[in-house]
Amino acid sequence: NAGVTQTPKFRILKIGQSMTLQCTQDMNHNYMYWYRQDPGMGLKLIYYSVGAGITDKGEVPNGYNVSRSTTEDFPLRLELAAPSQTSVYFCASRTGGQETQYFGPGTRLLVL
Amino acid sequence: QKEVEQNSGPLSVPEGAIASLNCTYSDRGSQSFFWYRQYSGKSPELIMSIYSNGDKEDGRFTAQLNKASQYVSLLIRDSQPSDSATYLCAVNPGDSNYQLIWGAGTKLIIKP
Repeated sequence: NAGVTQTPKFRILKIGQSMTLQCTQDMNHNYMYWYRQDPGMGLKLIYYSVGAGITDKGEVPNGYNVSRSTTEDFPLRLELAAPSQTSVYFCASRTGGQETQYFGPGTRLLVL
Repeated sequence: QKEVEQNSGPLSVPEGAIASLNCTYSDRGSQSFFWYRQYSGKSPELIMSIYSNGDKEDGRFTAQLNKASQYVSLLIRDSQPSDSATYLCAVNPGDSNYQLIWGAGTKLIIKP
C-alpha cells in the first residue's frame, strides 16, 4: 500500500512552458485535493475532486487545470508557467467518511 | 473571509517542558478541528483531531477546543527534539464537507 504518490519530486520550468504534475492514490479514496504551499505559508487549495468525473475550484485555481478520469489519478496541469507558480505542490486524499487527509510527498516546482 | 490564525513563531521550548501552540478561527459554524505536523521538506501528517469542547488526550499530545472563544490549542508534554517541526492548524468551516481552512503554521523548536 503506497498511499499517495506524486511525480516528479522536483522540476524546473521556463516561463511559458507547460507541465503535468501526477498524483495517484491506492487507498480507493473518493476525495482528492491539490494544494500549493509557499515558503512560510499555509496550504492553499487549488482544485479538489469528490469522485471520478467531478472536480471543482478551490481558493487559487487560476493558471491550473485538473481532470479526474479514474478514482486513483488526479493530475494537475500547469499551462503557461509563471514565476508566481514557483511553490511546493501537495496532493492529498481522504475517504468520504473521515476527514483526515493523507498527503503525498510533494512536488517542488521552480519557474525561471 | 474565513480565516485561521496562528503565531508563526518560532516557538522555542526546552527539552522536557510543555509546548503550547494556539490557533484561532473566524467562522463560528466550524465543526471539526485538526492539528497536522510538518517536518522541514516533508508533507503534513495528522496528529490530532477534535470535534467537541474540552480536552482530548493522545499520548503526550492534548488538543483543547473552546468554541465560544473560537480557539483550539495543542499541548505537547515532555517535549522532545523530534517534536521540532511546523504545526498546522486546520478547520472545517461547517458549510462544506470537502474543504479545510489552513493556518500558516507555527514553527516549534525543542532545545536539548
